[in-house]
Amino acid sequence: EDKVVQSPLSLVVHEGDTVTLNCSYEVTNFRSLLWYKQEKKAPTFLFMLTSSGIEKKSGRLSSILDKKELSSILNITATQTGDSAIYLCAVKGDSGYALNFGKGTSLLVTP
Amino acid sequence: GAGVSQSPSNKVTEKGKDVELRCDPISGHTALYWYRQSLGQGLEFLIYFQGNSAPDKSGLPSDRFSAERTGGSVSTLTIQRTQQEDSAVYLCASSFGASSGTYEQYFGPGTRLTVT
Repeated sequence: EDKVVQSPLSLVVHEGDTVTLNCSYEVTNFRSLLWYKQEKKAPTFLFMLTSSGIEKKSGRLSSILDKKELSSILNITATQTGDSAIYLCAVKGDSGYALNFGKGTSLLVTP
Repeated sequence: GAGVSQSPSNKVTEKGKDVELRCDPISGHTALYWYRQSLGQGLEFLIYFQGNSAPDKSGLPSDRFSAERTGGSVSTLTIQRTQQEDSAVYLCASSFGASSGTYEQYFGPGTRLTVT
């Protein structure tokens, strides 16, 4: 059975800090790993990492996939209060059509 | 263009009543997914539609849950004889492509269902 584990479950930092969120997975025939940001209800897409695209960056956010270690990290530099959200990691293998989600990391950035 | 839309945004119902939740995917997306997110939990897959193929219902938690997708577009998730444990946020997502592809899923704002 596919499995996605995120750590830490929650994190509190001060504005300006750098944070690293972790995601490890077990999946049959890995296809992709996705990161989402969930502030209210709808998760918004951040990055998708695949075997052909193991590193992505957008502004202060970046993510790396380590296929050997079956894990990914999401880095946020110079954090802002607007980064406060739940960050979800999801993995897709070929054993189904849906994404398998971790439980998320709840990030709180204090002023 | 417009994103995924869902209605209603909130629904409060009495235990034992039936509810219908609606999802309107992004135009041109052939794949549509329903997920459920209970308090403090990750997203739980419910059902998947791809084009005109038979849906993947493997995530539906009981036979009280069903879903339809008419004309390859709008989808309705129906929960019959609701129970308190059905209380959750129901999220719909859509994406391009078939199962062999790798496409990001875009989520709607969800329907918060509360069963009293």
